[in-house]
Amino acid sequence: GQQLNQSPQSMFIQEGEDVSMNCTSSSIFNTWLWYKQDPGEGPVLLIALYKAGELTSNGRLTAQFGITRKDSFLNISASIPSDVGIYFCAGPFYGGSQGNLIFGKGTKLSVKP
Amino acid sequence: EAGVAQSPRYKIIEKRQSVAFWCNPISGHATLYWYQQILGQGPKLLIQFQNNGVVDDSQLPKDRFSAERLKGVDSTLKIQPAKLEDSAVYLCASSRTNTEAFFGQGTRLTVV
Repeated sequence: GQQLNQSPQSMFIQEGEDVSMNCTSSSIFNTWLWYKQDPGEGPVLLIALYKAGELTSNGRLTAQFGITRKDSFLNISASIPSDVGIYFCAGPFYGGSQGNLIFGKGTKLSVKP
Repeated sequence: EAGVAQSPRYKIIEKRQSVAFWCNPISGHATLYWYQQILGQGPKLLIQFQNNGVVDDSQLPKDRFSAERLKGVDSTLKIQPAKLEDSAVYLCASSRTNTEAFFGQGTRLTVV
């Protein structure tokens, strides 16, 4: 089935550093979503992107919808310990008549104080 | 606005037993999803409802898994009989637009 490929799989950074991660697909997506999941919790929606080239910010988080519509990027500036978690990209894949929301495997972020 | 409610939070059962999970979506959300998340992986879609109709259950192991959404609101997901490989977190999500989905806290199932 359709897959979303996230990289890197994991990151270990120092508090205060900036973080970049990305998500790619072999198919075109019309929407990109970025979620964060803390241990023992469900994913929480961070940013939604709807248009190719769109750049959207949510506090220290900035996400971009790639021009090709096959990729998206998430940046976190000046990381803090509470940024620790797993970040997932997701998008509705219209393989059939309805969009099925599919997820990447996630980027695990660890922040050293 | 209340979020997606799921119960129970945790469940431990023996293999071959049955188990059921319950989900109450955000009010007014027509789309409801059940996902299975195995440790270290992203959520995998099991079934998607639009109101009380199934729009995709292609990845639901129908020999042992079943789900229903009576009256287009609450939903239950059942596993009967459970296998060891069913140990996972079962996440329910809902969406107004079939794009932005909001998740519950999940049910962590351990099959021993």
